[in-house]
Amino acid sequence: QKEVEQNSGPLSVPEGAIASLNCTYSDRGSQSFFWYRQYSGKSPELIMFIYSNGDKEDGRFTAQLNKASQYVSLLIRDSQPSDSATYLCAVIPGGATNKLIFGTGTLLAVQP
Amino acid sequence: GAVVSQHPSRVICKSGTSVKIECRSLDFQATTMFWYRQFPKQSLMLMATSNEGSKATYEQGVEKDKFLINHASLTLSTLTVTSAHPEDSSFYICSAPSSVGEETQYFGPGTRLLVL
Repeated sequence: QKEVEQNSGPLSVPEGAIASLNCTYSDRGSQSFFWYRQYSGKSPELIMFIYSNGDKEDGRFTAQLNKASQYVSLLIRDSQPSDSATYLCAVIPGGATNKLIFGTGTLLAVQP
Repeated sequence: GAVVSQHPSRVICKSGTSVKIECRSLDFQATTMFWYRQFPKQSLMLMATSNEGSKATYEQGVEKDKFLINHASLTLSTLTVTSAHPEDSSFYICSAPSSVGEETQYFGPGTRLLVL
């Protein structure tokens, strides 16, 4: 079982819709969760991080964490074509200082 | 956010040569930096943790004698791919937390290595 799992996609949504990206992780002791966006040929850029159960909103982005179910999700409201990218979920496992474990990423395609 | 730079952005070399990649934190000091490798259509895989003033910590399966890491100052870490082979062709990315104890990492722009 992979430590961090994501559906590779592609996830296709129309412009203006809500895109929902999901991620599950295996280490129940994980405390820190991150979403990065990666455009083709570029390095990842941080979108959000979340540490506590529940929702965390930042502009059009909302991260949701459910530690009991071991999943973290990212919602993108009013999706734009410029949001088309690969979204990487990353987790710091329990007991590991700053050591990010990445999922394989979900490719999002926002159709104009 | 914090800025991390890498140099070079792209390098092409012959098989058997060594390639050095630099990672710099531009507006903050980084006692720890991380080196990742990403093959096409795959995710980032952590190779090693670079520690200022001490030896790097390598992930399982990463050859420390092949991927030499030096973290000589609080703003610079270097990764040297020794005796590079075509299978080492990949996208190498470094990252650093913006401050000591900070878990949020900022990534450099990456270095694309092609070994012929």
